[in-house]
Amino acid sequence: GNSVTQMEGPVTLSEEAFLTINCTYTATGYPSLFWYVQYPGEGLQLLLKATKADDKGSNKGFEATYRKETTSFHLEKGSVQVSDSAVYFCASGGGFQKLVFGTGTRLLVSP
Amino acid sequence: SAVISQKPSRDICQRGTSLTIQCQVDSQVTMMFWYRQQPGQSLTLIATANQGSEATYESGFVIDKFPISRPNLTFSTLTVSNMSPEDSSIYLCSARLAGGQAGELFFGEGSRLTVL
Repeated sequence: GNSVTQMEGPVTLSEEAFLTINCTYTATGYPSLFWYVQYPGEGLQLLLKATKADDKGSNKGFEATYRKETTSFHLEKGSVQVSDSAVYFCASGGGFQKLVFGTGTRLLVSP
Repeated sequence: SAVISQKPSRDICQRGTSLTIQCQVDSQVTMMFWYRQQPGQSLTLIATANQGSEATYESGFVIDKFPISRPNLTFSTLTVSNMSPEDSSIYLCSARLAGGQAGELFFGEGSRLTVL
C-alpha cells in the first residue's frame, strides 16, 4: 500500500535560516502530494500541494517539487521565521484515494 | 475555508468506560473522516463517516469498538468503547468541503484522550 516517510524532528533553526524537511513516498499509481501544517493549538491545515510529476507547490514562502524519479516531495523555505514553528506533515493520495500521512516533523525556530 | 469544532478537547477516562467525541463543521461538506494520532506516529484513518448510514471502517478498526454516527451533513460523533490504556491518543475529525480541492481536508483541533 501507499506510505509516506518524513524526517524525524525536531528541526531546530535560527530565524532566517534555510529549511528543508525531507519526504519520500511509495505508491501505486501517481498520487497527489501534500504538505499540511499544524500550528500550536490549531488543527492541521493544507500548506501546499502538487498533483503531478515536476509540479511545484508553493505557499507562504514554502515550496515543494513533486519528483517522480526520486519519489520525493521535500519541503523548503529560504528564510524561516519564528511564526513558522509548527508540526509539518507530508501526505500522499487525494482524489478518490485515501490520504496517507507521514509521522510529522516538528520545526522550532528561535529568534 | 471551514471551522471544525471538536469536543471534548481532552479528557481523562477510566479503563472500561466509553467516551463520545462530537464534531461540528460550519460549512457544507461532502465527506467526513475520523483519524487517530498516537504519540510519535502518523495520522491513521479510522473510518469515513457516511450520512445516514454505517461508517466505512479501515482495516484494523471495527464498529463495535469505534461506533460512528453522522445524522446530518455537518455533524458526526465517534465513540471509543470499552477503553483501555492503548486507546490513549488524539482523535481528529476532518472534512472535505463541497467544491473543495481534491485532497484538501480541514481538521479539528483534536480530542486528546488519556485512559488510566
